[in-house]
Amino acid sequence: AQKVTQAQTEISVVEKEDVTLDCVYETRDTTYYLFWYKQPPSGELVFLIRRNSFDEQNEISGRYSWNFQKSTSSFNFTITASQVVDSAVYFCALSSGGIGNKLVFGAGTILRVKS
Amino acid sequence: DADVTQTPRNRITKTGKRIMLECSQTKGHDRMYWYRQDPGLGLRLIYYSFDVKDINKGEISDGYSVSRQAQAKFSLSLESAIPNQTALYFCATSDPLAWDEQFFGPGTRLTVL
Repeated sequence: AQKVTQAQTEISVVEKEDVTLDCVYETRDTTYYLFWYKQPPSGELVFLIRRNSFDEQNEISGRYSWNFQKSTSSFNFTITASQVVDSAVYFCALSSGGIGNKLVFGAGTILRVKS
Repeated sequence: DADVTQTPRNRITKTGKRIMLECSQTKGHDRMYWYRQDPGLGLRLIYYSFDVKDINKGEISDGYSVSRQAQAKFSLSLESAIPNQTALYFCATSDPLAWDEQFFGPGTRLTVL
C-alpha cells in the first residue's frame, strides 16, 4: 500500500526564517513520482514540483528547495527566508508508476508565516 | 481561461437533497478524478475515470456516484446529501504520457446542513 506521512500538522515561523516541511512516503514500486502542492487561503491547489524515483538530485527554485532521499523515503521541502505570502497548506503526494496511477496525498502541513 | 473548471464554486444544501457537481476540462486529457478535502485528512480520491467508458471507485466512494458524459466532462453526484459530506471537492485531470501530473480545478465548497 502507498502512504504519505506529513508529521508536522502546523508550523509557525517569523518572516525571514527558513522552514523545512517533512514528507515521508511508503511504496513498494520502484517507479514512482513525488509531488508538492501549495494551497493558499484562496483554496486552489498550486503545483510546485514533481520528482521521479530515478532522479535523486536536489532541486532549487528561488527560495524553494527540495531534498529527495530514497534511503530514508523522504522528500522534504525547504523555504528559505520565508515570507507572509508563503502562508498556506502544503501537501506532499505520491503516484506510483504503471497502470492505474493515482495520487495519494499526505494530510498536509499548515504553514503560518508571521510578520 | 482556466483549463479545469468546476461548477458551482460554492453550494449550501440541506440533508437529503440530490446535488451534482460538474467538472469540465479543455486540456484534452482522458483521465479525470474527483477528490474531497477535509481538514487534517488531505485529499482523498472518490472516483476516477481513465476514459469515457471507464469508471472506477476510489478510496471513499460510498454515498457518491459519477458520470463521464464526454472526454471533457466528469460529474459527481450526491444522491442524498448528509452533513458529513460537507467538504471541499476537487476535480483533476491527467495525461499518462506526461507523468500523470494532475491538474486541479479551483474546487467546490459544499455545505450540507
